[in-house]
Amino acid sequence: DGGITQSPKYLFRKEGQNVTLSCEQNLNHDAMYWYRQDPGQGLRLIYYSQIVNDFQKGDIAEGYSVSREKKESFPLTVTSAQKNPTAFYLCATWDPAGGFNQPQHFGDGTRLSIL
Amino acid sequence: GDSVTQMEGPVTLSEEAFLTINCTYTATGYPSLFWYVQYPGEGLQLLLKATKADDKGSNKGFEATYRKETTSFHLEKGSVQVSDSAVYFCAPRPHAGGTSYGKLTFGQGTILTVHP
Repeated sequence: DGGITQSPKYLFRKEGQNVTLSCEQNLNHDAMYWYRQDPGQGLRLIYYSQIVNDFQKGDIAEGYSVSREKKESFPLTVTSAQKNPTAFYLCATWDPAGGFNQPQHFGDGTRLSIL
Repeated sequence: GDSVTQMEGPVTLSEEAFLTINCTYTATGYPSLFWYVQYPGEGLQLLLKATKADDKGSNKGFEATYRKETTSFHLEKGSVQVSDSAVYFCAPRPHAGGTSYGKLTFGQGTILTVHP
């Protein structure tokens, strides 16, 4: 989606290092989500945020942290506690004002690998 | 809890063949139903959706009908092209707030490869 920018496209992490993935949106959507995608698997929800200054754990939050200080931004930090971080990370947004019939919109993803 | 079962892949077809990718789900109430497509190295794009029973979503020659009685939302295309090669995800969303806030439940995805 042109309205969601994820950066960087590729990221490498060293052992014991925290890394932060960026997600910026100009769609003016309140809700934002982070998913993890492993080969041959569906998307698993890491964290989501309904509104600024609020966020909730998803199904696989351990080893990850987020913040939501601005409506446009929802960065994801992969901490050293996440022992298997190699995956494709996708950020998504949703406009609750449009109702449950409206889809989530996705960025182009960040591929994280271990050095 | 909510779940999705998608037809296992990979699916390999020749150009102009007929495509069906099965999707069945369990969800609270009557969810909205979405199909997303993911091209190599990219994020997910909405392919089509249906929001109530017997609705038919369609886009780019793809169709899927919301079958409440069988809780299914199978994706079909009459004549596939090489450019349709991608991963397809079925994703229901229950109409509920609270802890389900806007969340989608994704199937494991079905890899489609179309040969010339």
